[in-house]
Amino acid sequence: DAKTTQPPSMDCAEGRAANLPCNHSTISGNEYVYWYRQIHSQGPQYIIHGLKNNETNEMASLIITEDRKSSTLILPHATLRDTAVYYCIVRVAYGQNFVFGPGTRLSVLP
Amino acid sequence: DGGITQSPKYLFRKEGQNVTLSCEQNLNHDAMYWYRQDPGQGLRLIYYSQIVNDFQKGDIAEGYSVSREKKESFPLTVTSAKKNPPAFYLCASSTGNQETQYFGPGTRLLVL
Repeated sequence: DAKTTQPPSMDCAEGRAANLPCNHSTISGNEYVYWYRQIHSQGPQYIIHGLKNNETNEMASLIITEDRKSSTLILPHATLRDTAVYYCIVRVAYGQNFVFGPGTRLSVLP
Repeated sequence: DGGITQSPKYLFRKEGQNVTLSCEQNLNHDAMYWYRQDPGQGLRLIYYSQIVNDFQKGDIAEGYSVSREKKESFPLTVTSAKKNPPAFYLCASSTGNQETQYFGPGTRLLVL
């Protein structure tokens, strides 16, 4: 079973920041938080991952709370092409496989 | 371009037939994976392979078989396909076991 809880769906206005929450209250000290997204009928796309520090790349920012029990993926300026299902996954770097839950369906509205 | 290739995008078979789905990668990745995604669901792991000539069962391996004779290829065979809602089969690869996985475009299997 997935170790994360995400809202089933969210809306965001085009050009605004999209903030996608994820709860992972049972996360262990050596487990990373990964984010992927899946645009309809395509393979999942890697976005970002982190352990305890906040991370940023060209696609998004990942904010992890100090107790590591939750995190937020931020898409700073959402576009219509960001409409997708976003998956939050926790796993150790070695020894576990990815477990994809149902994710959050983000709809970016014009 | 480097990447993962899955073909065809759609595959039709009659119930009871075996069907083999192809997955090829030119990323020089050691590890490869197969997932199944049912309509409206998350992904579930079928099989994975960390190195050539070695593979392990995932969560839903029953009814499937794989081979890993070459580093760049990891074909999946569905043995005796069953008439279910169309499933989406996704192949992924990573530089090493449990590293970040990169996915192919997927193959949708329709059993008639």
